[in-house]
This record gives sequence, structure tokens and C-alpha cells, in this order.
Amino acid sequence: AQSVTQLDSQVPVFEEAPVELRCNYSSSVSVYLFWYVQYPNQGLQLLLKYLSGSTLVKGINGFEAEFNKSQTSFHLRKPSVHISDTAEYFCAVKSYSGAGSYQLTFGKGTKLSVIP
Amino acid sequence: DGGITQSPKYLFRKEGQNVTLSCEQNLNHDAMYWYRQDPGQGLRLIYYSQIVNDFQKGDIAEGYSVSREKKESFPLTVTSAQKNPTAFYLCASQRRGSGYEKLFFGSGTQLSVL
Repeated sequence: AQSVTQLDSQVPVFEEAPVELRCNYSSSVSVYLFWYVQYPNQGLQLLLKYLSGSTLVKGINGFEAEFNKSQTSFHLRKPSVHISDTAEYFCAVKSYSGAGSYQLTFGKGTKLSVIP
Repeated sequence: DGGITQSPKYLFRKEGQNVTLSCEQNLNHDAMYWYRQDPGQGLRLIYYSQIVNDFQKGDIAEGYSVSREKKESFPLTVTSAQKNPTAFYLCASQRRGSGYEKLFFGSGTQLSVL
């Protein structure tokens, strides 16, 4: 079964510092990769996605992620965080599971806290 | 503006009671999903529907039921058989097609047991 591991459940970082949120997945087949952000008491919003092509993907709010097939990773980065980036971030992996179906698996989330 | 509306925002359930969470979308999306979110657990799929009058169990369907009588609506009933219903419930929709379409999420319903 496919699995998604977000190694850090909580990441505190000072404002204007860089941040990396880590995500590793287990699927051996071709995958689509996503990062979603969830602000308190809200649903999730798509930050960025990797489908194919360039391994560096740029998303909204200055975030970017790099797909590394050999390490089965899709880490999320931002060079300088803002207070408004405080939220929970979810990595998700979608892979073909046969018979025309796709399986989407979410990681357990990483809470980013930006310290003023 | 198009979007997904979940109601109510907060819901309380008494012992032995069934409660229904509403999810409505005006995005003309074929696929709809229900996820349960517990602290530190991420999102777990309860039920999903790819088309009207059809739905499939997800990973944690026990104690839940759904219907999909209209394209716009996908209500979730938490039955008395669900012994630990306290969680944040998220509804999502997706345009049917290839596997890389993003999910659009509602703002969630927090269900608590009295």
C-alpha cells in the first residue's frame, strides 16, 4: 500500500528565515504529488503540484517543491517565511491503482509556526 | 463564486443519535469525497462518489453512510454505530477526468459528542 511520510509533525521557524518541510512517499509507480495548506478551522487549499517535467515546481505564496525520484521525496521550501504562513501543511501522493482508479494518500501533516 | 459549502460548522451529537453533515457544491464537479481529520492523523477517506447514484467506501467507512441523489449534494450521516465520531469532517470535490485534478475543499464541520 502506498504511504506518505511527513517526518516533522511541528516546525517552528523565525520570521524571514527559510523553511523546508519534508515529505517522502513509498509508491514505486508513477505518481502525482501535491502540497496542500490548511489554515485554522478551514479546509485545505492546493499550494502546488508535480505532474511531470521539471522537478522544481513553484506554487502560490512563494513556496516551491522539488521532486526527487531516486529519493522518493517531494520537500516543500520557502526562502523567507511570513507570519501568515503559520498553518498546517499536507503532502499528498496520487498513484494509479488499476481498473481506472487512482489512490490519493495524505501525509499526517506538518504544523508550521512562524515566530515573530 | 463557485465553491463547496459545508454545514453546520459545529455539530453536537448525543449518545445513540444519528447526525447528518451537509455538503453542497456548485462547481459542476462529478466526484465528491468525505474525509475525517483527527489531530496528528492527517486525512482519512470515509466515502467517495464519482458519479450520481454511485458511491464507494473509503478506508474508514464503518459507522458512516452517504447518498448521492444529486450531482451537487453529498451528505454524510454519522450513525450511532460510529463509536468515536468526534473529529473534523471535510468534504471535497474534483472535476472528473485524469488523476491529477486538484481537490476543492469545504471549510469543514467539527463534530463533537455530548
